[in-house]
Amino acid sequence: DQQVKQNSPSLSVQEGRISILNCDYTNSMFDYFLWYKKYPAEGPTFLISISSIKDKNEDGRFTVFLNKSAKHLSLHIVPSQPGDSAVYFCAASYGSYQLTFGKGTKLSVIP
Amino acid sequence: GAGVSQSPSNKVTEKGKDVELRCDPISGHTALYWYRQSLGQGLEFLIYFQGNSAPDKSGLPSDRFSAERTGGSVSTLTIQRTQQEDSAVYLCASSRGQGFYEQYFGPGTRLTVT
Repeated sequence: DQQVKQNSPSLSVQEGRISILNCDYTNSMFDYFLWYKKYPAEGPTFLISISSIKDKNEDGRFTVFLNKSAKHLSLHIVPSQPGDSAVYFCAASYGSYQLTFGKGTKLSVIP
Repeated sequence: GAGVSQSPSNKVTEKGKDVELRCDPISGHTALYWYRQSLGQGLEFLIYFQGNSAPDKSGLPSDRFSAERTGGSVSTLTIQRTQQEDSAVYLCASSRGQGFYEQYFGPGTRLTVT
């Protein structure tokens, strides 16, 4: 039973446009959500996070939106750059213990 | 170094042999986690340490897997009698401890069981 789902395995976006990566979860106990970025042959790199008491968190070009009633979160990247091409993982946690990850979305930003 | 380090970066072993994977967390981080990523899958939680104790071993897939942490720092993950399905990238992460959600990952160890 997958508690965190990223339904799009891949996404292609033109450079300069907005990238929107989506994530759904089923466990209402999750109280914190994170996005990680992963390049080939490297470990995941923490990108941005949001607590369940908020609905938006912004950091530069990256914004995460949380819709608790829909159990849905999204990551917006504006403007997208070729260096953003990577696999993006959504993760969720409760109690600051283990993270539960989605399977990832491969983002390709086309110059 | 400033980040999480793992060794070896790659390990090829024959089925039935034991392997030991090492993780060196960020200095001062009290919590340490092991995950693995099989081909085409997300990251799967294996075990969590707070200090030297492991309050959550729920993710270990079988009794062939064990882990320890000494001195509140370095951790080793041991897989005994390796099987082909153990082939994966094993990732270690650390965090500041309870109440701190952000985990910082090492580069991983790619294990191939032939």
